Amino acid sequence: GAVVSQHPSWVICKSGTSVKIECRSLDFQATTMFWYRQFPKQSLMLMATSNEGSKATYEQGVEKDKFLINHASLTLSTLTVTSAHPEDSSFYICSARAGGHTDTQYFGPGTRLTVL
Amino acid sequence: AQSVTQLDSHVSVSEGTPVLLRCNYSSSYSPSLFWYVQHPNKGLQLLLKYTSAATLVKGINGFEAEFKKSETSFHLTKPSAHMSDAAEYFCVVSEGTYKYIFGTGTRLKVLA
Repeated sequence: GAVVSQHPSWVICKSGTSVKIECRSLDFQATTMFWYRQFPKQSLMLMATSNEGSKATYEQGVEKDKFLINHASLTLSTLTVTSAHPEDSSFYICSARAGGHTDTQYFGPGTRLTVL
Repeated sequence: AQSVTQLDSHVSVSEGTPVLLRCNYSSSYSPSLFWYVQHPNKGLQLLLKYTSAATLVKGINGFEAEFKKSETSFHLTKPSAHMSDAAEYFCVVSEGTYKYIFGTGTRLKVLA
């Protein structure tokens, strides 16, 4: 149980294009989903927190107009990197938390984005 | 403010010997504490979590961790390392808003 998927697992795009990454909770309903960014050999950096049906809350320093997050249902959240540039190349990981008092997050397998 | 310190960025052990990955935390709440493992280019897998029940927590793959409030520690141990245990390990504390505070990670290397 508690499986989270991400799609695509890797993507290569040209500079200036937009890329959408999907995060799905497969066997539970996710009240909250989180988006992280991870640079090589570093820890995860929280980008934003999204609650189903409401606007995402972005961490300080994360451009909300560049990283668009939509959490339209209890099993799906999307991250769109708009007008991507090479510095946006990174490993993006989502996680999902079920509702109630549980604070356990279940992580997706990650998406490797390379912007040329 | 909550924080997590993983005391070793790299740990090397021989296969079959014990593993100790150290984690200290600071928290003004009764914390929830987690250990996750990340294999290269993969997401994070939950090894175990502490949520104010038993102080000795058993996880998957033979790992366990002991919550010591007096030492503000939550070290991860395993009696006998396997080659497949080679990975990055993250200690995490959860704050009241359900956000995670991550440690900087410990890379475990297992020598044959």
